[in-house]
Amino acid sequence: KQEVTQIPAALSVPEGENLVLNCSFTDSAIYNLQWFRQDPGKGLTSLLLIQSSQREQTSGRLNASLDKSSGRSTLYIAASQPGDSATYLCAVVDSGGSNYKLTFGKGTLLTVNP
Amino acid sequence: NAGVTQTPKFRVLKTGQSMTLLCAQDMNHEYMYWYRQDPGMGLRLIHYSVGEGTTAKGEVPDGYNVSRLKKQNFLLGLESAAPSQTSVYFCASRWTMNTGELFFGEGSRLTVL
Repeated sequence: KQEVTQIPAALSVPEGENLVLNCSFTDSAIYNLQWFRQDPGKGLTSLLLIQSSQREQTSGRLNASLDKSSGRSTLYIAASQPGDSATYLCAVVDSGGSNYKLTFGKGTLLTVNP
Repeated sequence: NAGVTQTPKFRVLKTGQSMTLLCAQDMNHEYMYWYRQDPGMGLRLIHYSVGEGTTAKGEVPDGYNVSRLKKQNFLLGLESAAPSQTSVYFCASRWTMNTGELFFGEGSRLTVL
């Protein structure tokens, strides 16, 4: 059974700092990995989707990498801003029998202090 | 383009009452999902559908029923609400392709007294 872990559960940084959020998964047989952002009281917003054949994806100040063999993904946020404060979740789609479903991590709560 | 729309956004029920949450998507997605999100538990899959007229159980299906009579709509029903069903419910959808991006609705906050 696929398990997704996000460490740390919470992170607090000063504005302007570059930071890395981590996501690890136990089964490397995946179709893709997706990073989401969730603001308090809101739904999840898709940030980046990395296909299994890709190593990284970039959008603005965000860069996500994928290392399937080691079961890891990182989300790099450059020059963090207070508006980046949110919970960040990752999820994978398995390429095995349960490929309709996504397995989510529990998220990292990021606070960027002015 | 509205994306994924959930109604209602808030609801308070008494134990034993019934209700239906509606999810509508306008992206012609085949796959649709209902999740619940509780503090410390993360997102848990209740039911999902891989196409019009199909439904399947997720991790926590007990106490819920679903229907997908039209491709764009996925309904989640609570026949007899219990306090343990107090939660925030999220609907999501994506294309058939396993490489498809998942899109979420804004959520429906349900309180059962």
